[in-house]
Amino acid sequence: NAGVTQTPKFRILKIGQSMTLQCTQDMNHNYMYWYRQDPGMGLKLIYYSVGAGITDKGEVPNGYNVSRSTTEDFPLRLELAAPSQTSVYFCASSYSGVGEQYFGPGTRLTVT
Amino acid sequence: QQQVKQSPQSLIVQKGGISIINCAYENTAFDYFPWYQQFPGKGPALLIAIRPDVSEKKEGRFTISFNKSAKQFSLHIMDSQPGDSATYFCAASRRDGATNKLIFGTGTLLAVQP
Repeated sequence: NAGVTQTPKFRILKIGQSMTLQCTQDMNHNYMYWYRQDPGMGLKLIYYSVGAGITDKGEVPNGYNVSRSTTEDFPLRLELAAPSQTSVYFCASSYSGVGEQYFGPGTRLTVT
Repeated sequence: QQQVKQSPQSLIVQKGGISIINCAYENTAFDYFPWYQQFPGKGPALLIAIRPDVSEKKEGRFTISFNKSAKQFSLHIMDSQPGDSATYFCAASRRDGATNKLIFGTGTLLAVQP
């Protein structure tokens, strides 16, 4: 089991560019989450999904979009990147939606 | 009401000492309190968790103490080791819609000196 994998590990974007952060899990978890982690701020929930085809907003969804066409994949789309989106992004999954979430290794994104 | 306040921001402990990290919450609807450990360049990983119907949970050198009336919980690391050096996040969760959502504290950077 690879668990939760994320690509790329690092990315530098120019203001206004777009990109997709990839997240895949091989644990057959229905619940998946995207967080951003900023220094001294903990982790904030961006979007989550409770199964294929079902997504909903978290605490800080502005500037992001998600889709969930399969159980395994939960990509995060950044449209018109802004410096405020410079952060480390973590994808996580959970079996039941209650209890432990398993995190990927993160994507460090810089927008300049 | 959705915040989880964590302290201290950073902590230096000598090898063999006790590390203590504290968290406080306001929302009494929270029903699950995990602690996550994060090493540099890695994602957070669940360390230990507690539900509010117990006052203490111990797993090896790690103990959560939970005070429901004070709305506080803490992580104690006994016999701290250099390998425990990491960032620790407390969190609280409650059912919100179709899933439980985790609210994280701001993290504590622990350094255990040999």
